[in-house]
Amino acid sequence: AQSVTQLGSHVSVSEGALVLLRCNYSSSVPPYLFWYVQYPNQGLQLLLKYTTGATLVKGINGFEAEFKKSETSFHLTKPSAHMSDAAEYFCAVATDAGGTSYGKLTFGQGTILTVHP
Amino acid sequence: EPEVTQTPSHQVTQMGQEVILRCVPISNHLYFYWYRQILGQKVEFLVSFYNNEISEKSEIFDDQFSVERPDGSNFTLKIRSTKLEDSAMYFCASRQAGVSTGELFFGEGSRLTVL
Repeated sequence: AQSVTQLGSHVSVSEGALVLLRCNYSSSVPPYLFWYVQYPNQGLQLLLKYTTGATLVKGINGFEAEFKKSETSFHLTKPSAHMSDAAEYFCAVATDAGGTSYGKLTFGQGTILTVHP
Repeated sequence: EPEVTQTPSHQVTQMGQEVILRCVPISNHLYFYWYRQILGQKVEFLVSFYNNEISEKSEIFDDQFSVERPDGSNFTLKIRSTKLEDSAMYFCASRQAGVSTGELFFGEGSRLTVL
């Protein structure tokens, strides 16, 4: 069975500062990894995903994440935080690569990002 | 931009009552899901649905839960006899067929409060 751990339930940064949200996963097979963002009163929106190939993946809104198999990590970063980045971020893993099981995601507990002026 | 829509956004019900949560997935999507998030806890997979049948379900999805696609557009989650512990945000999601790397598109959620 797979699992996801997000280190830090709350992260606070200054506007313009680096954003680093940590995610570690556990999986017995090669994982598919995702970051979702949830703005207040909205659904979960995909930021980026890693499936195969390049381990550094770029997503929307200037976010990127790097898959590090040796560290079982998939940390999310953004060089310069913006006020509009304030939201809750979820890391998720899927270990079934296709078919009907693909959408079965295991989520981390979420990290609330606060950006202050 | 196509989106997944869910109704109601918030429902309050008495313990033991039946509740139906409704979802309209994106029109060309063929895989449908329900997830839930109890306040302060992780988002959890409940069930996946494809070709008019359940393809996978979690341990949470017991006999009091059921899903249905009654027509070509709606996808519903029914809780037959609600319990206090069913209070949660329920998310519907859908994805395209045939692309294993396709993303899930989530709705905004339906918050269920059981009193």
